[in-house]
Amino acid sequence: NAGVMQNPRHLVRRRGQEARLRCSPMKGHSHVYWYRQLPEEGLKFMVYLQKENIIDESGMPKERFSAEFPKEGPSILRIQQVVRGDSAAYFCASSATEAFFGQGTRLTVV
Amino acid sequence: RKEVEQDPGPFNVPEGATVAFNCTYSNSASQSFFWYRQDCRKEPKLLMSVYSSGNEDGRFTAQLNRASQYISLLIRDSKLSDSATYLCVVNINAGNMLTFGGGTRLMVKP
Repeated sequence: NAGVMQNPRHLVRRRGQEARLRCSPMKGHSHVYWYRQLPEEGLKFMVYLQKENIIDESGMPKERFSAEFPKEGPSILRIQQVVRGDSAAYFCASSATEAFFGQGTRLTVV
Repeated sequence: RKEVEQDPGPFNVPEGATVAFNCTYSNSASQSFFWYRQDCRKEPKLLMSVYSSGNEDGRFTAQLNRASQYISLLIRDSKLSDSATYLCVVNINAGNMLTFGGGTRLMVKP
């Protein structure tokens, strides 16, 4: 049973480009969380999704960020028109009861 | 008041010491409780679930105090390898929404 899979592990984007981060939850898990972690800081909640539904997006910036978890396929965190301040590690977790994390995507905006 | 609060530390302790962390939660209807460990630049990993009766796993003991709304983690005979950030996680509501505390940083020194 594969764990939570995130790809890519590392992503470099120029300012103004789009970044797409993918997360495949563990088999049987229908809940997905996205977190952002800036260097030397703690995890910051972004969004909580179930299949085809956004349950809580209170941590998502109002602009440029969106997330989806379609019926088929991975959850996608999309960042449009990236800026240097978006550089961070983005972790995805899936859960049934306990949450299990992917290894993260490290986004660098140059 | 934050839903889940932890002392950010750092807790600096010598090898062999016993150290305890507390985590308070605000919602008395919270159902499930967990401790996670995060090493630098890695994903958080489940350390242990916290049961009403308290539970122990080797040098680690977790306890739940529902009346005072806190959970604790006790680490005995600290090792250098215990140095990490410890995250308290609470399942706040029936919708399976997991809420993370900000983490407590532990540094074990020789």
